[in-house]
Amino acid sequence: EAGVTQFPSHSVIEKGQTVTLRCDPISGHDNLYWYRRVMGKEIKFLLHFVKESKQDESGMPNNRFLAERTGGTYSTLKVQPAELEDSGVYFCASSQPRTSGRGDTQYFGPGTRLTVL
Amino acid sequence: AQTVTQSQPEMSVQEAETVTLSCTYDTSESNYYLFWYKQPPSRQMILVIRQEAYKQQNATENRFSVNFQKAAKSFSLKISDSQLGDTAMYFCAFMKHGGANNLFFGTGTRLTVIP
Repeated sequence: EAGVTQFPSHSVIEKGQTVTLRCDPISGHDNLYWYRRVMGKEIKFLLHFVKESKQDESGMPNNRFLAERTGGTYSTLKVQPAELEDSGVYFCASSQPRTSGRGDTQYFGPGTRLTVL
Repeated sequence: AQTVTQSQPEMSVQEAETVTLSCTYDTSESNYYLFWYKQPPSRQMILVIRQEAYKQQNATENRFSVNFQKAAKSFSLKISDSQLGDTAMYFCAFMKHGGANNLFFGTGTRLTVIP
């Protein structure tokens, strides 16, 4: 079974530019999450999709961040325009439906390291 | 709000020895899950062990075990017979039972196993 994949692994952009991160969850996982770790700090929740619907986006920092999950498969996270404080590692995770009884275990991708200069 | 604290930014242990990583959390919830995740250098984060708060028995996965003290809100991870492959960043995490599914993480402990 393929794990959660993320693309790109690294991205270096200049302030003001746009970057789009992609996440492909494990097949069959309805739940998809985005998290971010800023250097030296804790990993923080950004948002949660159930299939194509945003279940919780309380962690999104501001309206420069836009997440989509069209068709309930892969998800994209776009930052436009990027600011210096957006630098960090962006993790995606997926989990089975809660009704499966195993929805509490999230499987993480390798992360995308974003550097904004 | 839930908070998770890992007070040890870095630790080291000799190969084959035992090490304990500490984690405390704060919550008003009565039922929840606790996790330890491991992220080896340049590799993705994987689940090491999980604990359901309503279960009194401490979870164990091979060389990894936890000491869950619900009243003290403590959830430490013990690694026995440390191996070089255990070198990684270890994150403690909390999730409410029911409702929101998001994880609350600590800042992590970087563990180095010394040959």
